[in-house]
Amino acid sequence: SQQGEEDPQALSIQEGENATMNCSYKTSINNLQWYRQNSGRGLVHLILIRSNEREKHSGRLRVTLDTSKKSSSLLITASRAADTASYFCAPTFSGSARQLTFGSGTQLTVLP
Amino acid sequence: GAVVSQHPSRVICKSGTSVKIECRSLDFQATTMFWYRQFPKKSLMLMATSNEGSKATYEQGVEKDKFLINHASLTLSTLTVTSAHPEDSSFYICSAPRGAEEKLFFGSGTQLSVL
Repeated sequence: SQQGEEDPQALSIQEGENATMNCSYKTSINNLQWYRQNSGRGLVHLILIRSNEREKHSGRLRVTLDTSKKSSSLLITASRAADTASYFCAPTFSGSARQLTFGSGTQLTVLP
Repeated sequence: GAVVSQHPSRVICKSGTSVKIECRSLDFQATTMFWYRQFPKKSLMLMATSNEGSKATYEQGVEKDKFLINHASLTLSTLTVTSAHPEDSSFYICSAPRGAEEKLFFGSGTQLSVL
């Protein structure tokens, strides 16, 4: 399987706390993307990190990539109730024709 | 605003009927679109790749006669669930890449309920 697998499956935190989600994959990648899905909605792209990058920031998001361990993490700092959603990683591989495959995601609940 | 529009957002139909779902790219041309299916609290399952002007490419295990895909223009792909059955009830989502961008833009999804 060329999809990423997110961990944990579910995460519940208090508003203001940081949330960390992890993604593991099995083969060499070109880049890795993180998406967010609000309940009953489509996915929204959050951030892309390339295989030659180790860390990337976007607002309250911080993504790391460890290609030696074939893993990535998404950190959301100072979480808000509005961050409640499912988060998916999508590794992309050479020859994947731009199609993405997804795991089951991490369901994040931020309690007010 | 949304760059990929998907309609309808929700549809309820009787068993045996066919349902058409539309996916439109709003401000760009999409030669390729992707259709996904999602069960509650589950991952998105890639069903097929829709190619403008040619046949769709279906993933293994997806019945092409059951899920008809038509990509007749550079801004519109349709998924028709034929002779729908209750087990076809699911959340269907389309997506498209825009130009050379590596990320995908997703529609808002269609919740199909077959009675």
